[in-house]
Amino acid sequence: DGGITQSPKYLFRKEGQNVTLSCEQNLNHDAMYWYRQDPGQGLRLIYYSQIVNDFQKGDIAEGYSVSREKKESFPLTVTSAQKNPTAFYLCASNPGQVPSYNEQFFGPGTRLTVL
Amino acid sequence: AQKITQTQPGMFVQEKEAVTLDCTYDTSDQSYGLFWYKQPSSGEMIFLIYQGSYDEQNATEGRYSLNFQKARKSANLVISASQLGDSAMYFCAMREPYNFNKFYFGSGTKLNVKP
Repeated sequence: DGGITQSPKYLFRKEGQNVTLSCEQNLNHDAMYWYRQDPGQGLRLIYYSQIVNDFQKGDIAEGYSVSREKKESFPLTVTSAQKNPTAFYLCASNPGQVPSYNEQFFGPGTRLTVL
Repeated sequence: AQKITQTQPGMFVQEKEAVTLDCTYDTSDQSYGLFWYKQPSSGEMIFLIYQGSYDEQNATEGRYSLNFQKARKSANLVISASQLGDSAMYFCAMREPYNFNKFYFGSGTKLNVKP
């Protein structure tokens, strides 16, 4: 079955620690995205990548970093510089071709809690 | 400026009745796509319906229809014959394919279906 997997589902970390959230897709999509969602709020774009080895900052990139070494993988690192990292993190992808109008496909999300 | 505006933070509807969730958008592009997603309490994002900016007819998918008024820049979601399982957050989103394929999400509407 094709889809997007995120691991782990729940993640706890201590203040001051970096943590990496995994996102893998087997949909052969070029574009991948990371969003942050706070309780009762919408999705805010952290980073996105159109192709391998290329990525751009979204609206709230400070305190986060990403890499795109493989088409299938787009890991997100939440660094100690992120002042309020407790949130729900969603990874998404789409084929990326222009002018395709495909929807975003989402992973199940990771709930990060900083203790 | 907000790209997507959802002005109804929460709504109630009686089971079996129809409900309209509002969405307005802002873009200067001629080519764009509009999407609606459902997010149950589990957190997964479920794609519901899509409307392209050049589509002349309103999109429909089962009990979901999109009331697209291009001149007013509105893309309201209509759910007919509401069911208890429709209780969830609903997000409107816009894609600008010629703007780095970015997606913009609204802040969401929490729909509660009453028995």
